[in-house]
Amino acid sequence: GAGVSQTPSNKVTEKGKYVELRCDPISGHTALYWYRQSLGQGPEFLIYFQGTGAADDSGLPNDRFFAVRPEGSVSTLKIQRTERGDSAMYLCASSLTPAGVGDTQYFGPGTRLTVL
Amino acid sequence: SQQGEEDPQALSIQEGENATMNCSYKTSINNLQWYRQNSGRGLVHLILIRSNEREKHSGRLRVTLDTSKKSSSLLITASRAADTASYFCSYSGGSNYKLTFGKGTLLTVNP
Repeated sequence: GAGVSQTPSNKVTEKGKYVELRCDPISGHTALYWYRQSLGQGPEFLIYFQGTGAADDSGLPNDRFFAVRPEGSVSTLKIQRTERGDSAMYLCASSLTPAGVGDTQYFGPGTRLTVL
Repeated sequence: SQQGEEDPQALSIQEGENATMNCSYKTSINNLQWYRQNSGRGLVHLILIRSNEREKHSGRLRVTLDTSKKSSSLLITASRAADTASYFCSYSGGSNYKLTFGKGTLLTVNP
């Protein structure tokens, strides 16, 4: 597609429920990133995929968070047993390649997650 | 944790005026990027400046980078109401993929 797309745009769930957030990167981009942005803050890194594998998941806050990218394109961020503190904007980005200077990350519109 | 700082946190100007936002960081970097975010939306990439560059222009945008002071500035000339948004600087260091963002500058351009 023309840009990074994310679905749903908004997700409201109840505490304790399981949610999945989807990201469709720009066609041909091998690198994919997830960030989380709390209100009034800048985005914070969660996880980075190069191809199908998670090359760096050091930003995931705990083991309730998990992400996959089985075919090296679409990625799903999964959150188990959601907590109110998980409420945030979840942003996905992709880049052509992570290597070398000058590689721009293009962001999607985000999924706003609200946990009641 | 966020290691970048934008200054000021908020800026309000009249249409036609110039807006200057500053960014400071704490680590060595490969490049620094500026993004814009309209309320409740995703980030739009504005400009990237590499660590060996000192100044870069794109339309009404001018970015400078001073690696000795670990700082960057974004200048928007002849501002428009449509420039109203939050502006973030971000940078990658040794990993070259993990972007670190500041808290952003909220720019309001009054018509």
